[in-house]
Amino acid sequence: LAKTTQPISMDSYEGQEVNITCSHNNIATNDYITWYQQFPSQGPRFIIQGYKTKVTNEVASLFIPADRKSSTLSLPRVSLSDTAVYYCLVVMAMDTGRRALTFGSGTRLQVQP
Amino acid sequence: DVKVTQSSRYLVKRTGEKVFLECVQDMDHENMFWYRQDPGLGLRLIYFSYDVKMKEKGDIPEGYSVSREKKERFSLILESASTNQTSMYLCASSTDVGLHHSDTQYFGPGTRLTVL
Repeated sequence: LAKTTQPISMDSYEGQEVNITCSHNNIATNDYITWYQQFPSQGPRFIIQGYKTKVTNEVASLFIPADRKSSTLSLPRVSLSDTAVYYCLVVMAMDTGRRALTFGSGTRLQVQP
Repeated sequence: DVKVTQSSRYLVKRTGEKVFLECVQDMDHENMFWYRQDPGLGLRLIYFSYDVKMKEKGDIPEGYSVSREKKERFSLILESASTNQTSMYLCASSTDVGLHHSDTQYFGPGTRLTVL
């Protein structure tokens, strides 16, 4: 199974750009990478998903290099409300036709005023 | 909006008790999942289901079983609860959009289970 690793924690200040990297070895060519955000006492919620190169939505950008062994979630101009835990999720398509899901252990982002 | 609900937010049980955690989704999703979340370990998949009466083991199925008799409901069962099963349990659902795509998972609020 693909394994994912992320930094345990990161600190930032309001207005800064934050980049969180997830490493995923042995990711297959048809894997997607998805990022989730989780606030205390809530379930994770979807932020962004990508397959290759760059994806951008109203919340974040996701950069995936050509070798696809890592991906970087970029949060532009963070605010205090972006303080949360961020998880990367690798979806791997198995030969059986089903999918194997592997979450990273999460990165706790603390945004200071 | 998709809504995933879990039967309890907090639950306290004793060692050896049988525990049922219920999850219901209202968007007709094919896929449903049970995870446990522990500090430093992130989310780990226990079981998942792609259809009614269908189940597949995730990464840590030992000590758990599941039931999916109706499409909207997915139950996690601890046959004989143990203290090492004290954890946050999260249910999720998603649509099935094909082999080479990924579908967004929608999570419930979680059930914090304490086994004494």
